[in-house]
Amino acid sequence: KAGVTQTPRYLIKTRGQQVTLSCSPISGHRSVSWYQQTPGQGLQFLFEYFSETQRNKGNFPGRFSGRQFSNSRSEMNVSTLELGDSALYLCASSAPVTSGRGSYNEQFFGPGTRLTVL
Amino acid sequence: GESVGLHLPTLSVQEGDNSIINCAYSNSASDYFIWYKQESGKGPQFIIDIRSNMDKRQGQRVTVLLNKTVKHLSLQIAATQPGDSAVYFCAERAGNQFYFGTGTSLTVIP
Repeated sequence: KAGVTQTPRYLIKTRGQQVTLSCSPISGHRSVSWYQQTPGQGLQFLFEYFSETQRNKGNFPGRFSGRQFSNSRSEMNVSTLELGDSALYLCASSAPVTSGRGSYNEQFFGPGTRLTVL
Repeated sequence: GESVGLHLPTLSVQEGDNSIINCAYSNSASDYFIWYKQESGKGPQFIIDIRSNMDKRQGQRVTVLLNKTVKHLSLQIAATQPGDSAVYFCAERAGNQFYFGTGTSLTVIP
């Protein structure tokens, strides 16, 4: 089974521009979450989509938005880029797992998109 | 707010020794915890998880310990190998969201 893929892997933009990142989840996974990773803050949750609906949202400004398509592929968009938006953006897909330990969602991360804002 | 932190930002161990990476969490309602490994240029990789109704879980060369009394989580890696060099994150789930620590960088000295 192919893993989570993200495109592009690297991106350089200038302040004020907007950017769209793409994530293809593992086949059969309907939940896609987006995270921002920076050296000082670690991973911070952006939002989660499930069946084309935003299910959860983190504490990021409205410049950060996302969507999910019927095939579960997801995109996130950042408008009016700021220098502080430079980060590794990670996408994770998950599916419910039920075992003797109960039910939970196991997340699988993609390699990330490295965004640099100049 | 949520707070997941790691006691040591860096850890160096000799090859063959055991490694212990610690993590503190603040939300007593968190019911599920995960340890991830992240190698340079890659996304986090699931290592092992534990639910809040357990205090210990073992995998292949790894053991996770959960102390709910002091809200502390640890990852033990037995017989550490050079391939274990990476950044390790703990994560807690509270409600429908995951919260991550900033990570501990483990360096294995040959």
